[in-house]
Amino acid sequence: DAGVTQSPTHLIKTRGQHVTLRCSPISGHKSVSWYQQVLGQGPQFIFQYYEKEERGRGNFPDRFSARQFPNYSSELNVNALLLGDSALYLCASSFRGTNQPQHFGDGTRLSIL
Amino acid sequence: AQSVSQHNHHVILSEAASLELGCNYSYGGTVNLFWYVQYPGQHLQLLLKYFSGDPLVKGIKGFEAEFIKSKFSFNLRKPSVQWSDTAEYFCAVNANYGGSQGNLIFGKGTKLSVKP
Repeated sequence: DAGVTQSPTHLIKTRGQHVTLRCSPISGHKSVSWYQQVLGQGPQFIFQYYEKEERGRGNFPDRFSARQFPNYSSELNVNALLLGDSALYLCASSFRGTNQPQHFGDGTRLSIL
Repeated sequence: AQSVSQHNHHVILSEAASLELGCNYSYGGTVNLFWYVQYPGQHLQLLLKYFSGDPLVKGIKGFEAEFIKSKFSFNLRKPSVQWSDTAEYFCAVNANYGGSQGNLIFGKGTKLSVKP
């Protein structure tokens, strides 16, 4: 069975640019969550989507946005990139949004120059 | 705000030694508790979870954890570690609050190095 897939694997951008990261959940999973993991820290919650609606938002600026498509895949968009946005961005999926363990992808490593 | 504390940043053990990694959380309501493991070069994998019931939960690869509600703790244990247990371990809490579903709040992680 395919796990959670994320693309691209690595990305290099410069300050001020925008970026789109993509995630395909495990087949049958309807909930997708996004996390940011800075080096040396645990993942920090950004967004959760369930049945194409935003169900949760972490403490991130409005430069971060996301959406979920009818096939339950998801995109994370970040505008006006800052050096501090350099991190590993993780996508996790679960069958439902509540009381379900989340399954993580390998992440997208974003480097801002 | 809810938070998760992992007491040890880096633990170094010899094979066959016993392991206990501490995890405390700050939230007074109902929580779900998780331990995730990240082996070198791999993605986060669920090690074990606690939702309700028996506070002693068993996970994969011989790991177990005990939920002590009065201490807000969910410590991870393994009686005898192997070199292959070298990884980073993350404790996480999922808190449901205010009628909306919460999401995973992670600790900073503990790196475990097992010497052969």
